[in-house]
Formats: sequence, structure tokens, C-alpha cells
Amino acid sequence: GAGVSQSPSNKVTEKGKDVELRCDPISGHTALYWYRQRLGQGLEFLIYFQGNSAPDKSGLPSDRFSAERTGGSVSTLTIQRTQQEDSAVYLCASSLEASGATGELFFGEGSRLTVL
Amino acid sequence: AQSVTQPDIHITVSEGASLELRCNYSYGATPYLFWYVQSPGQGLQLLLKYFSGDTLVQGIKGFEAEFKRSQSSFNLRKPSVHWSDAAEYFCAVGAPGGSYIPTFGRGTSLIVHP
Repeated sequence: GAGVSQSPSNKVTEKGKDVELRCDPISGHTALYWYRQRLGQGLEFLIYFQGNSAPDKSGLPSDRFSAERTGGSVSTLTIQRTQQEDSAVYLCASSLEASGATGELFFGEGSRLTVL
Repeated sequence: AQSVTQPDIHITVSEGASLELRCNYSYGATPYLFWYVQSPGQGLQLLLKYFSGDTLVQGIKGFEAEFKRSQSSFNLRKPSVHWSDAAEYFCAVGAPGGSYIPTFGRGTSLIVHP
């Protein structure tokens, strides 16, 4: 596709359930980011993938959060045993280079997660 | 580590009026600076960016921003606001080199009155 694609666009789940959010980056982009946007808040960095390097997981808020990126392309963010404070919009972004030479991140429309 | 402050949570302007959104950053050297816009239900779109050189940068949709090193600021401006500019605006800072993970401000919500 032409842009970053995320699915599902909306997800409502019950507290304690596991959820998976998917991100399909722009073809050829080596860097992939996950950010979380809580209501009325800025973007909170979660995790960063660059090529075949080990991901930077420094932003993951707890061990209930994990992410993987298969084949250097599609990424899945998994939240186990969801809590109400996990309710947020989860944004995925990709970038052509990680060095910052261009610096621009291309964002998907986000996955809105609501935990009841 | 870098950080970004957007001191205004909401800004209300009348259509046709001028606009300035404030952004202050903290970083030891000259960072990469960005402004993104998020319209309702959409992802973030890049408005403009500063890497080096001319401190006044032009972006899309008639926006511009000025990098002021002495004030650690990168304020966004537009001379005449249109109703379609109503959106959430995010300032971001990136540190050149190494793991490139931009830090975003909390955003400023722009409300445009007819």
C-alpha cells in the first residue's frame, strides 16, 4: 500500500484479555516505531525496530507489552492481560532511514483500544 | 535525553487571524525539529522540519517555523488561519545519530472560529 496500515482501527476488549495490534509499514522502510497516545496526552514512545538490529524496548511500560517484527516488515504489538489504563490510541510509524538523515516519520491512522 | 514542551494545550483563533504555536526543546546540541499535524481520525502528517541552515523553514499548507537557538524554541506560524486548519499540532525533536527516536510534545489543539 501507499501508506502505513494499521489494524484493527478500533478494538474494544474486556479487562484481562489479550490483544494484538498490527502494523504494515511502507515498503522499503527499515525503521518502525510504536507510540501510544492517551486521551489529551502527547505521543509516548513504546518500541523501535531498525532493520535486523535488536529492538529498542525502553519505552514499553510493563512486561505485559511486547512487540515483534517479522521479516523486517509487518509488526505486531501484543498487550497481555489488558488493564483499563491501557486504553489509548496506538500509533505505528515507519521511516526510510534510522540515521535521521531525513527524519520524517510516516504514521498510520492508529488503533484505538478501549478496555472495559 | 531530549524533551519537548508545548505550553499551550488549546489555542482559539478566528478565521483569517494569524497564528503562533509555541514549542521549546531541551537538547545539548542542535537537534532535528519537526511540526506534525493530526486532523480528527487521521494519522500525523509532517508540516515542516529543520535540520540545519536557514533558521526560517517553510512547510506545507502555508505554515512556517523559526528555529531560535538562544531561546531553544521552534515556534510554528501562519499569517492567516483557515477553518480547515483546526487540528492537533505536535512539535517533535530528534537527536542526530545513533538510535533515532523522536520525542513528541503533548500537542496543542487549535480551534478556529468562523
